[in-house]
Amino acid sequence: DAKTTQPNSMESNEEEPVHLPCNHSTISGTDYIHWYRQLPSQGPEYVIHGLTSNVNNRMASLAIAEDRKSSTLILHRATLRDAAVYYCILRDRTNNAGNMLTFGGGTRLMVKP
Amino acid sequence: EPEVTQTPSHQVTQMGQEVILRCVPISNHLYFYWYRQILGQKVEFLVSFYNNEISEKSEIFDDQFSVERPDGSNFTLKIRSTKLEDSAMYFCASSLAGGGRSGANVLTFGAGSRLTVL
Repeated sequence: DAKTTQPNSMESNEEEPVHLPCNHSTISGTDYIHWYRQLPSQGPEYVIHGLTSNVNNRMASLAIAEDRKSSTLILHRATLRDAAVYYCILRDRTNNAGNMLTFGGGTRLMVKP
Repeated sequence: EPEVTQTPSHQVTQMGQEVILRCVPISNHLYFYWYRQILGQKVEFLVSFYNNEISEKSEIFDDQFSVERPDGSNFTLKIRSTKLEDSAMYFCASSLAGGGRSGANVLTFGAGSRLTVL
């Protein structure tokens, strides 16, 4: 899977929006952009994924740059429960054999009350 | 919401002992995975399993490790002779499909089994 680059950590205030960036300049045309998060002492949890268009779900929004070389995960109103490590991962949609996720270091989001 | 369940939540064992970690994946999922996370480090892929055989494994998954789906519901990870460096959190995951195809390839992880080797 192609590599992603994320800031090591970010801080946010509770009830404010959070924009978590991810750079993936070597993304290929068949790569989906997936986001997972890991709350303290828990397993990773799926957040959202997309290919080219912006995506929204109940947890977050995903904004994908027009050239797809970067994306931003948007939490519209951060809560204390959103404090976690957020992982941006590229998945090749054509490679059925490469079906595991490769986790990088992610971004540790700290939410202040 | 369907979930992946793992047992035990915490196991303490002596070096050299065999350990079996158990997982019940989501019932209609077809792909199964084990990951591990050493304290303070990244989540690392160990193995994926599909159609009753290993589909991929990492360098970590050496001869000391094995996986099995003994019945229609359980998925197990066995470590034959544990070493100190096997101490980690082990996560089981499952997905409906493989690859990156839309929607169907979301992995659902369990809460993990913490293994402590003394």
